[in-house]
This record gives sequence, C-alpha cells and structure tokens, in this order.
Amino acid sequence: AQKITQTQPGMFVQEKEAVTLDCTYDTSDPSYGLFWYKQPSSGEMIFLIYQGSYDQQNATEGRYSLNFQKARKSANLVISASQLGDSAMYFCAMRARGSNYKLTFGKGTLLTVNP
Amino acid sequence: GAGVSQTPSNKVTEKGKYVELRCDPISGHTALYWYRQSLGQGPEFLIYFQGTGAADDSGLPNDRFFAVRPEGSVSTLKIQRTERGDSAVYLCASSPKVTSGSLETQYFGPGTRLLVL
Repeated sequence: AQKITQTQPGMFVQEKEAVTLDCTYDTSDPSYGLFWYKQPSSGEMIFLIYQGSYDQQNATEGRYSLNFQKARKSANLVISASQLGDSAMYFCAMRARGSNYKLTFGKGTLLTVNP
Repeated sequence: GAGVSQTPSNKVTEKGKYVELRCDPISGHTALYWYRQSLGQGPEFLIYFQGTGAADDSGLPNDRFFAVRPEGSVSTLKIQRTERGDSAVYLCASSPKVTSGSLETQYFGPGTRLLVL
C-alpha cells in the first residue's frame, strides 16, 4: 500500500518569496511516480509537476521545482517568487505500478500568499 | 484543447434518491478514473477504466455505487439510495493509454459537488 504524508495543514508566505511544501511518502514498490497538484477554491485539480522514482535529476516546471530525496522518501515542492494567485490547496500524490495506477493523495497544505 | 468536463457541477438530492454523475474525458485518453473528495481531505480512488472495462473498482465503497463507460469515452457514476455520507466532491480524471511501465499524469475535471439532504 502507498501512503502520502503532508504535515503542514497551512503555510503563509510573502509575495515574491519562495516557499517549500513538505511531502513524505511510503511504498514498497520500486517503480513509482510523485505528483503535485494545485486545487484553487474553484475545486479543479491542476497538475503542476511530476517526478519519477528512477529520475536522476529533480523535476522543474517554471517556478515549481520538486526536491526529491529518495533515501528520505521525501518529495517537497518548492515555489519560487510566490504570487497572489498561488494561494490554494496543494496536494502531493503518488502512483505505483503495483497499485494499478491509482493515485494516492495526502491531506493537502493550504498555502496563503500575503501581499 | 478541451479538458476533462463533468456535469452537473452541483447536485442536491434527497436521501434515498438515485443520482448520475457524468464525465467526459480528454479526447484520445483511454484511461479514466473516478475519485471522491470529502471536506478537508485529499481525493480517494473509486474506480479505474481502461477503455470500456472497469480495470479496478476496488475503491467503490459499497454496491450502491456503480460506474459505466459503454463506448470507451464518456463515463457515468451512478449512486443508488443516496445517503448523507455520500455528500462529497466527485472528481473524474483521464490519462493517455496506460501501458506497462508507464506512469502518465492524470488530468482532472472540475468535479461534481454532491449534497445529499
């Protein structure tokens, strides 16, 4: 079974500063993918970034980067130069080949960007 | 291109009634997933379709829940004899064909907010 833990129920950051959202995971499957999604108040889950378990380099997508530390089983999301529009719920999720491709989500972190 | 669409966006029903929730995936995506998101929680897996067949329905909570995808595109999630505990946001996601060794990204629709009174 897979498990995702997000220990920060809420985070605050000043506009234009960087913020790190924590995520740890647990799985016995050697092949898995880690994902971050953003969920604004409108409710839609927006895909942000993906990291494969065999990827050698940390994933980056614009202002988003994933700090992947395999030995620690952590996959933290770093948002650089925060914007007011970044205020939302952020979910870490994983898929493992042995789990029939279903996503397992954490409970999320509510990020608030202050002007 | 068009993303995943879901209808209705909101549904209010009475306890004991039957509801249908519809999902229209991204064109060309053969894999389709249903998730349920309760207040303050992350989404939880319900069922996964590869083409027309349900490849994994292990997340359906009980036999009141059923989903179909008769032509391999649009899917309908059906809930019989609704209960207040069924109130949640029902999310649909799709991804390109899932092949052995692949871990394609799932793209989500806006969800249907179901409220059972």
